[in-house]
Amino acid sequence: NAGVTQTPKFRVLKTGQSMTLLCAQDMNHEYMYWYRQDPGMGLRLIHYSVGEGTTAKGEVPDGYNVSRLKKQNFLLGLESAAPSQTSVYFCASTRRTGGNNEQFFGPGTRLTVL
Amino acid sequence: RKEVEQDPGPFNVPEGATVAFNCTYSNSASQSFFWYRQDCRKEPKLLMSVYSSGNEDGRFTAQLNRASQYISLLIRDSKLSDSATYLCVVNLNTGGFKTIFGAGTRLFVKA
Repeated sequence: NAGVTQTPKFRVLKTGQSMTLLCAQDMNHEYMYWYRQDPGMGLRLIHYSVGEGTTAKGEVPDGYNVSRLKKQNFLLGLESAAPSQTSVYFCASTRRTGGNNEQFFGPGTRLTVL
Repeated sequence: RKEVEQDPGPFNVPEGATVAFNCTYSNSASQSFFWYRQDCRKEPKLLMSVYSSGNEDGRFTAQLNRASQYISLLIRDSKLSDSATYLCVVNLNTGGFKTIFGAGTRLFVKA
């Protein structure tokens, strides 16, 4: 089991460029999440999905879009990157939400927007 | 006020020391609690869940005080390999579940 994988691991963009981050999990988890982590702040939820074909906004969704066309994949898109989107992005998955469900994280994508 | 607050540290302790971290949460709808560990430039990983009666896993002990709305993590006999950032995590049930991560407490264990 690879668990949760993310591609790419690093990326540098210029302001206004677009990109897609890919998250894949092989644990047959229903729920998937995209977070960003900035210095001095906790992980903040961007978007999440409770199942294939469904997505919902999290705490900081502006400037991002997501899609969950297949259960195992969750894509995060930046249509027009801004320097404020420089961050480390983590994808996570859980079998279901709430309760004592452990979140399994991918290794992260370090994004710099110039 | 942040929903989950932690002392950012860093805590610098010698090997063998006992160190304790506290975390406070503000929402009384908080239902479940966790400590995650995050190594430098790595992803967070679950260290342990926190139960109302308190729980222990080897050198690690977690406590929950619902009345005062805080969680603690005690590490005994610190090892160099314990150096990491420890994230306090709270699940809320406010109609739907919501997970709140603290910003983390950094620990450096020195030889």
